[in-house]
Amino acid sequence: DGGITQSPKYLFRKEGQNVTLSCEQNLNHDAMYWYRQDPGQGLRLIYYSQIVNDFQKGDIAEGYSVSREKKESFPLTVTSAQKNPTAFYLCASKPQGIGREKLFFGSGTQLSVL
Amino acid sequence: AQSVAQPEDQVNVAEGNPLTVKCTYSVSGNPYLFWYVQYPNRGLQFLLKYITGDNLVKGSYGFEAEFNKSQTSFHLKKPSALVSDSALYFCAVSDQTGANNLFFGTGTRLTVIP
Repeated sequence: DGGITQSPKYLFRKEGQNVTLSCEQNLNHDAMYWYRQDPGQGLRLIYYSQIVNDFQKGDIAEGYSVSREKKESFPLTVTSAQKNPTAFYLCASKPQGIGREKLFFGSGTQLSVL
Repeated sequence: AQSVAQPEDQVNVAEGNPLTVKCTYSVSGNPYLFWYVQYPNRGLQFLLKYITGDNLVKGSYGFEAEFNKSQTSFHLKKPSALVSDSALYFCAVSDQTGANNLFFGTGTRLTVIP
């Protein structure tokens, strides 16, 4: 069954702690994305990667870091520098190429601060 | 800079009645336009897209949207609403460079009343 798997579903962070959100896809998609969703603000792009070992900052990258060591995986680390991390985090992927604009989303991770 | 406006935070409609969820956009050049739907605590699901061609686009679950260039609008419509259509709907736009700079609206919550 193909798709995008995000884990954990719920995550709690203590002050000063780094936490990592997992995103794995078995769709053989080249591009992967991380979005942050806050109530009433829509989705905002944190980071994206179009190819293994390369990634680009989105609109709100400060306080976050990513890696893309494998095509299937694009983990997001929320660092202690992110002062307001409570949000719903969504991972997405898509194939590259013309006519392939549709994004496929995971089920999300809700991050809360203790 | 590109932007999307969804002027209604909440839309209520009776089951069986037609529904409209409004979206207007601003982008340089020709737009790529999308509608996504989000059910509670889930990721987004693609409904439909407009890239070029016929202004009336048909998508999943009986939804359709009409691209109106003069009014810079891309309203989502369905002839007969179902209770199961109740969800959060997002309009999104990018320019021709693709989904790496996909900009989402703030979302409209649709409630279909039995």
